[in-house]
Amino acid sequence: DSGVTQTPKHLITATGQRVTLRCSPRSGDLSVYWYQQSLDQGLQFLIQYYNGEERAKGNILERFSAQQFPDLHSELNLSSLELGDSALYFCASSVDRPGTGHEQFFGPGTRLTVL
Amino acid sequence: GNSVTQMEGPVTLSEEAFLTINCTYTATGYPSLFWYVQYPGEGLQLLLKATKADDKGSNKGFEATYRKETTSFHLEKGSVQVSDSAVYFCALISGYSTLTFGKGTMLLVSP
Repeated sequence: DSGVTQTPKHLITATGQRVTLRCSPRSGDLSVYWYQQSLDQGLQFLIQYYNGEERAKGNILERFSAQQFPDLHSELNLSSLELGDSALYFCASSVDRPGTGHEQFFGPGTRLTVL
Repeated sequence: GNSVTQMEGPVTLSEEAFLTINCTYTATGYPSLFWYVQYPGEGLQLLLKATKADDKGSNKGFEATYRKETTSFHLEKGSVQVSDSAVYFCALISGYSTLTFGKGTMLLVSP
């Protein structure tokens, strides 16, 4: 158990809909990362938040957005869903302070199926 | 930019065989290197890491040595078990960049 929790575990929805994925980082971790894992694209970095502020952006679509709240949990919002958005979405967290290393601890993921 | 190249899988071995999964990288600066493992139906777990040249990371019988001269971080295990069947990802981070992953290598170990 990494200490990172994600809900829900599974999500089935229809095209055009909007969903919210939730992540709680390990206690004390300030950074949260979101990744998408699909068979054709592999593991893709989407976005990073550090202590409530966006720090880095990867291959995140404009239909997707994220935020990190004062209690450090994060939400990833996916809207106008398409079939191709079906994937595993992982959240990871890290301490991310100088001198502590940058190893990330991953949650169990949310499997999104768009029908 | 940063990139990681791993050997393509699947790698199929019999129990107790020797394992090598190759990983090479391109990075600016002096990256830290990682191996993550993903068991079926689960998230990624950090397997081992090395933060500077010639460091050897090890865990659960797996080892990898940070080779700056060949920009490599090959994963090895002397005797694999069926329970090692998983997907293995090589990754790096450099400075304040985010983790860059390889495409992953599936390992299948048969009894």
